[in-house]
Amino acid sequence: GESVGLHLPTLSVQEGDNSIINCAYSNSASDYFIWYKQESGKGPQFIIDIRSNMDKRQGQRVTVLLNKTVKHLSLQIAATQPGDSAVYFCAEINGEASDFGNEKLTFGTGTRLTIIP
Amino acid sequence: DTEVTQTPKHLVMGMTNKKSLKCEQHMGHRAMYWYKQKAKKPPELMFVYSYEKLSINESVPSRFSPECPNSSLLNLHLHALQPEDSALYLCASSQKDSPTYEQYFGPGTRLTVT
Repeated sequence: GESVGLHLPTLSVQEGDNSIINCAYSNSASDYFIWYKQESGKGPQFIIDIRSNMDKRQGQRVTVLLNKTVKHLSLQIAATQPGDSAVYFCAEINGEASDFGNEKLTFGTGTRLTIIP
Repeated sequence: DTEVTQTPKHLVMGMTNKKSLKCEQHMGHRAMYWYKQKAKKPPELMFVYSYEKLSINESVPSRFSPECPNSSLLNLHLHALQPEDSALYLCASSQKDSPTYEQYFGPGTRLTVT
């Protein structure tokens, strides 16, 4: 079946450095992707999204890159802070993204990001 | 109010018990979701309600019974669960006509089945 997966389960980064978290997807028909952050004891929190007609999108300290040719997306976090320590999930919307209430969010396996002081 | 609340935060139940998980949002969202998350795993979709009607059931066993009594509330009724059902149960909601397909998640209910 179709799946969304991550290359690395854990990533440790020095505080102040940039982090890059990668994600591979297999469904070439996927047209919408979201990055979520999940801190310990909390539900996932939306970070940034990107549609398949874009290859880059920037937010506050975060950038998502989408390479449809190799079905890969990445999340870049600039100047990482201790509060960035969390598990990061990429997720895709399956089904007709315009069909409200029938979109299915499928999460990848997750990467645990640890910020070293 | 931009949050999804879930009660209880923790629940321990025996295999013969009947219990319910509750979820509430007051953001006017018309889609609500139940996810199950095992330790060190991603959330997995269980059910989707759209305009208070069940639109997606991901082949969840009948010992899990969802209910959406109104547009703000979502329940998950539990009966005759198994120890392997122990997990974090997450509720989420989303808004029609939003520029994103963002789903807002609650903090979850940590369920332990003994």
